[in-house]
Amino acid sequence: GEDVEQSLFLSVREGDSSVINCTYTDSSSTYLYWYKQEPGAGLQLLTYIFSNMDMKQDQRLTVLLNKKDKHLSLRIADTQTGDSAIYFCAEGEVGGYQKVTFGTGTKLQVIP
Amino acid sequence: EPEVTQTPSHQVTQMGQEVILRCVPISNHLYFYWYRQILGQKVEFLVSFYNNEISEKSEIFDDQFSVERPDGSNFTLKIRSTKLEDSAMYFCASSEGTVSDTQYFGPGTRLTVL
Repeated sequence: GEDVEQSLFLSVREGDSSVINCTYTDSSSTYLYWYKQEPGAGLQLLTYIFSNMDMKQDQRLTVLLNKKDKHLSLRIADTQTGDSAIYFCAEGEVGGYQKVTFGTGTKLQVIP
Repeated sequence: EPEVTQTPSHQVTQMGQEVILRCVPISNHLYFYWYRQILGQKVEFLVSFYNNEISEKSEIFDDQFSVERPDGSNFTLKIRSTKLEDSAMYFCASSEGTVSDTQYFGPGTRLTVL
C-alpha cells in the first residue's frame, strides 16, 4: 500500500528558510499535499502539487517534487514564529473520492 | 471562505457507550470522509462516503463504526460501543469530487474514552 515518510523534527531560527522533506511510494498519478496542524487545531491545507509538476510556488511556500526519487519538499522562506506547527505531507489519488495517506508529520520549531 | 465544521470539539465518554460525532461539510461538496489521529501517531483514513453510501473503508472501520448523512447538511460518525483505544482526534473532510480535487478538513473532535 501507499506509504509516506517524513523526518519528525526540524528546528530553525526566525528569518531563516525551513525545508521539510517527504518521501512517498505511490507511483501512479497522484496529488501531493502539505497540511499544517497548529497545537490543538485541525488540518489546514497549505498547498498541493500534481505529480506531473516539478515545482509550485505560493508566496513564502515553495514545493519541489522529484518524481524519479519520489521526494517532495516544502520550503518556507523567512520562517516566522507563527509557522511553528506540525507539517504533514500527504498523497491522494486523482479523481472522484480519494483516500489521502498522511506522513508522520514534521514538527517545526521556530526559534526567535 | 467556506469551511468544514465539527461538533463537539471534545467528547468524553465511558467505555462501552455510544458516541456520535457530527460534521457539516462544505455545502457544494459531494464526497465526505472521516479520519482519525491517535495521539502522537499518523492521521489514518477511516471511510469515504458518496451518494449516500460508503465508497471505501479501512480495516479500522469495523462493525462498531457507522456513518450517515441524516439530512442535507450533516455527516455523522457513530461508534456503537466505545473502547479505550478509540480515544483519538477524529477529523471530518469533504471534497467537491472533481478530478482536480482536494480535501478540506474540519478542526476535529477529540474523543476521550475513560
